[in-house]
Amino acid sequence: GAVVSQHPSRVICKSGTSVKIECRSLDFQATTMFWYRQFPKKSLMLMATSNEGSKATYEQGVEKDKFLINHASLTLSTLTVTSAHPEDSSFYICSARKTTEGVGELFFGEGSRLTVL
Amino acid sequence: RKEVEQDPGPFNVPEGATVAFNCTYSNSASQSFFWYRQDCRKEPKLLMSVYSSGNEDGRFTAQLNRASQYISLLIRDSKLSDSATYLCVVNRASGTYKYIFGTGTRLKVLA
Repeated sequence: GAVVSQHPSRVICKSGTSVKIECRSLDFQATTMFWYRQFPKKSLMLMATSNEGSKATYEQGVEKDKFLINHASLTLSTLTVTSAHPEDSSFYICSARKTTEGVGELFFGEGSRLTVL
Repeated sequence: RKEVEQDPGPFNVPEGATVAFNCTYSNSASQSFFWYRQDCRKEPKLLMSVYSSGNEDGRFTAQLNRASQYISLLIRDSKLSDSATYLCVVNRASGTYKYIFGTGTRLKVLA
């Protein structure tokens, strides 16, 4: 397997503040990472694809200026939720792509539970 | 029609039972296939990649049927700890890192 670490695991913030979530691949380099959002008892919703050294690719309906993604190195991608509102409260999960024997497997971070008051 | 479809379940089975899940995909150019396990309020964890020849890992067996465009997961001798949601994930053709997730199948193994 592989290890992907996500931090913080839980964050509570006031409405209007910004929150940064980090996703690190600890034992491999990842040129591609993904950010998801998941609501209770629902499937993962892809928000954006993070590419090292270039701009992220956002899915339809996801606001680029609201969810800032930076992939500055081969082991770190960050998601910043800007001017957070209560409706942004959710479980955010990242994944990193690792190629094993020619197959690109995804390894997930532990997730970050965001609560906006 | 969704690109990747799974029966949401729940599948309620007694301990020791054998249970099988199927997952169908609509894009014939799909290249890589995976089964993930997700526990409640946790991140998905890779259970196994699915190879063309099929593969087995202990009590778990995965099969790929390209002609009918489905993958399967068989769990033998179910344990209580197997209770989770099993996600089918399909990667589209090479050149694009697009992973499509099924909605997951819930499994409950009962004592």
